[in-house]
Amino acid sequence: EAGVTQSPTHLIKTRGQQATLRCSPISGHTSVYWYQQALGLGLQFLLWYDEGEERNRGNFPPRFSGRQFPNYSSELNVNALELEDSALYLCASSLRGTTGNTIYFGEGSWLTVV
Amino acid sequence: KQEVTQIPAALSVPEGENLVLNCSFTDSAIYNLQWFRQDPGKGLTSLLLIQSSQREQTSGRLNASLDKSSGRSTLYIAASQPGDSATYLCAVRRRNYGQNFVFGPGTRLSVLP
Repeated sequence: EAGVTQSPTHLIKTRGQQATLRCSPISGHTSVYWYQQALGLGLQFLLWYDEGEERNRGNFPPRFSGRQFPNYSSELNVNALELEDSALYLCASSLRGTTGNTIYFGEGSWLTVV
Repeated sequence: KQEVTQIPAALSVPEGENLVLNCSFTDSAIYNLQWFRQDPGKGLTSLLLIQSSQREQTSGRLNASLDKSSGRSTLYIAASQPGDSATYLCAVRRRNYGQNFVFGPGTRLSVLP
């Protein structure tokens, strides 16, 4: 069974541009989470999607947005890129429903803003 | 606000040693706590999940305990191996906060052959 898959693996953008990152959850999982891991910093919660709706977002500006598609895959968009957006972006998925479910992470997408 | 800390920040041990990693959290209103492993530049691999009603979980050489009332969890690694070298993170799933996890900063473990 395939795990959480993310694309692209690496992405280089210039300041001011937009970046789009994609995530496919484990089959059967309806919840998708996005996290940012900047170099030397911990994981920061970005967004949580479930059943196609945004359920919660972390303390990030509105230029970080995303959506979840009917097949439960998700994309994260970062507009007006800034140098400090350079980070590893991690997607995770879990089963919906009970809060006791394990979340599983993908390998991440490295975003470099120059 | 939920804060998660991990001690020590880094640890270097010779192969074969048993070791303990510590995780502390400030708000005991959690659904569960999960331990992860992260290799450099990679995603996170789930190791153990402990529900708030449980005291411990075991998987192979790993044992994790949870004392919710005191806000502490420990990850015990028996007979450490060089392949255990990685960063270990704990995360708590918060009640009433949209099910998002709050992660600790991690403990960077090096097991020397």
